[in-house]
Amino acid sequence: QKEVEQNSGPLSVPEGAIASLNCTYSDRGSQSFFWYRQYSGKSPELIMFIYSNGDKEDGRFTAQLNKASQYVSLLIRDSQPSDSATYLCAVNIAGGGADGLTFGKGTHLIIQP
Amino acid sequence: DTAVSQTPKYLVTQMGNDKSIKCEQNLGHDTMYWYKQDSKKFLKIMFSYNNKELIINETVPNRFSPKSPDKAHLNLHINSLELGDSAVYFCASSQPRGGEQYFGPGTRLTVT
Repeated sequence: QKEVEQNSGPLSVPEGAIASLNCTYSDRGSQSFFWYRQYSGKSPELIMFIYSNGDKEDGRFTAQLNKASQYVSLLIRDSQPSDSATYLCAVNIAGGGADGLTFGKGTHLIIQP
Repeated sequence: DTAVSQTPKYLVTQMGNDKSIKCEQNLGHDTMYWYKQDSKKFLKIMFSYNNKELIINETVPNRFSPKSPDKAHLNLHINSLELGDSAVYFCASSQPRGGEQYFGPGTRLTVT
């Protein structure tokens, strides 16, 4: 079964530090990778996507992709209390069922003031 | 402007009933999706649909059926509701298929 794995946490990071979130995926043919942020009781919000090996930066967020290791990560610099949420890694796995995204179970991030 | 909207936000019903959830997107996307998020917060694809093709996740019971009157709308019909159907259902859309997906606010379904 094609899967996306994340550490469920909670991951506790002091305010102002770098939060590092990690994700591995099982299908070597995966092409598209996404990070969503979900606050409690809210819908997933797309914050980053990456398609090529390497780093992609957007403001305080950096997504990193290593297809050889089947690994994708999200770095959040200068973490703020408002970054406290569950972060979902999602992968578009070819043939992964209904052509939608396969999600990990999420990492609960807590930013401590 | 709401990009992806769903109604109702909450739905409480009894076992055995039939219910529908509506979804609309104004992003001009061709592909829409339904996801289910269970009590453990695990988000799982149910369907994807565009003008030409419906793809069904094989794990979805046939009591669930998507219906699309046009490419901006994808409704979810559920027959003979069961306790295990209680979850939050999210609609999403993307352009192109397999690209970045944007989610609606969700419908919390409670079956009693």
